[in-house]
Amino acid sequence: TQLLEQSPQFLSIQEGENLTVYCNSSSVFSSLQWYRQEPGEGPVLLVTVVTGGEVKKLKRLTFQFGDARKDSSLHITAAQPGDTGLYLCAGDNAGNMLTFGGGTRLMVKP
Amino acid sequence: SQTIHQWPATLVQPVGSPLSLECTVEGTSNPNLYWYRQAAGRGLQLLFYSVGIGQISSEVPQNLSASRPQDRQFILSSKKLLLSDSGFYLCAWSAGRTSLNFGPGTRLLVL
Repeated sequence: TQLLEQSPQFLSIQEGENLTVYCNSSSVFSSLQWYRQEPGEGPVLLVTVVTGGEVKKLKRLTFQFGDARKDSSLHITAAQPGDTGLYLCAGDNAGNMLTFGGGTRLMVKP
Repeated sequence: SQTIHQWPATLVQPVGSPLSLECTVEGTSNPNLYWYRQAAGRGLQLLFYSVGIGQISSEVPQNLSASRPQDRQFILSSKKLLLSDSGFYLCAWSAGRTSLNFGPGTRLLVL
């Protein structure tokens, strides 16, 4: 069974601070996806990274896929209250299913 | 554009009662369909997935079952609910090995 470990599990910061969320595995993934979920709703895809070492930017969010395609990070610059939510990473093992991490719950206080 | 619907949005059921949650997808053909369960504020546990009508794969042995009677309809059922079945149930679809598109979810509370 492939596992994805996310850290930290919980993060509470003030508006304007920077933060990084990590997604680690001992397994290699063909691609990795990041989702954000707000309370009472389904997760929404933020980005997919495919190539080892790839960096993608989505406004204040920067996503990086590890060179060995076993890990990924999400960095948020100048966090805003609207960034509050549960961030989930999910790895594609070249099958029909994704393996999800346990999630990082982020709260950004105004 | 594609849309995915789930109902009901919220459900409170007594232990031992039956369950039927429905998911339908519009705007796409032959999607892969998935049922996930999510504990409060945590990650997603894959329960079932389907690559076609009548084709169901189960990931976790439990008292739940799934059916796909039509191409864009996916149903999650139970004959007798347990307390441990409480949770947030999410249906999702994908076009092959692309990203997942989730429905709004059903919050189930078993008392």
